[in-house]
Amino acid sequence: AQSVSQHNHHVILSEAASLELGCNYSYGGTVNLFWYVQYPGQHLQLLLKYFSGDPLVKGIKGFEAEFIKSKFSFNLRKPSVQWSDTAEYFCAVKGTSGNTGKLIFGQGTTLQVKP
Amino acid sequence: EAQVTQNPRYLITVTGKKLTVTCSQNMNHEYMSWYRQDPGLGLRQIYYSMNVEVTDKGDVPEGYKVSRKEKRNFPLILESPSPNQTSLYFCASSMTPISYNEQFFGPGTRLTVL
Repeated sequence: AQSVSQHNHHVILSEAASLELGCNYSYGGTVNLFWYVQYPGQHLQLLLKYFSGDPLVKGIKGFEAEFIKSKFSFNLRKPSVQWSDTAEYFCAVKGTSGNTGKLIFGQGTTLQVKP
Repeated sequence: EAQVTQNPRYLITVTGKKLTVTCSQNMNHEYMSWYRQDPGLGLRQIYYSMNVEVTDKGDVPEGYKVSRKEKRNFPLILESPSPNQTSLYFCASSMTPISYNEQFFGPGTRLTVL
């Protein structure tokens, strides 16, 4: 079955700390990968996406993610977090064939950054 | 401004009372979709629509209906809501369903069914 697993459900960091959120997926085919962010009370926004090419992708607000095909992983990183990064983060995959457009989401990781 | 709008944003209702959550997009997108978000489960797709008059079930369609009579609108209908439908609902749209088209999400509708 297709699934996405995010390792950490709740992460608490101090400002300037480095961030890495884990994401692993299970999907029998070629996938495209996404990270979305949901700030408190707001809708989901796309942080970054991977379709092909360089497995290290850079997104908005200093975030980046690395696709490691052999590990079925797409971990999100940021060298130095800010208080404004407090939000919920979702990893998602979408298959490239038989496309229904469905995004399969992980459970989400709540990031709390202390000032 | 390009956006997906949903109404209402918050709704408290009682079991069995029919309700509709509206979704509208102004980007001329073909593809629209409904998700529900529950703690610890992430977002799960309820229904999707490839274009006008073309709709299909997602992963959790039970208890929901949709219609797509116009390209811009994709209402979610709960004919007889039950407490297990208490959730946060998101509408999304994209140009087409294929992967490289980013999905844009609405602001969410928080539904409580008593």
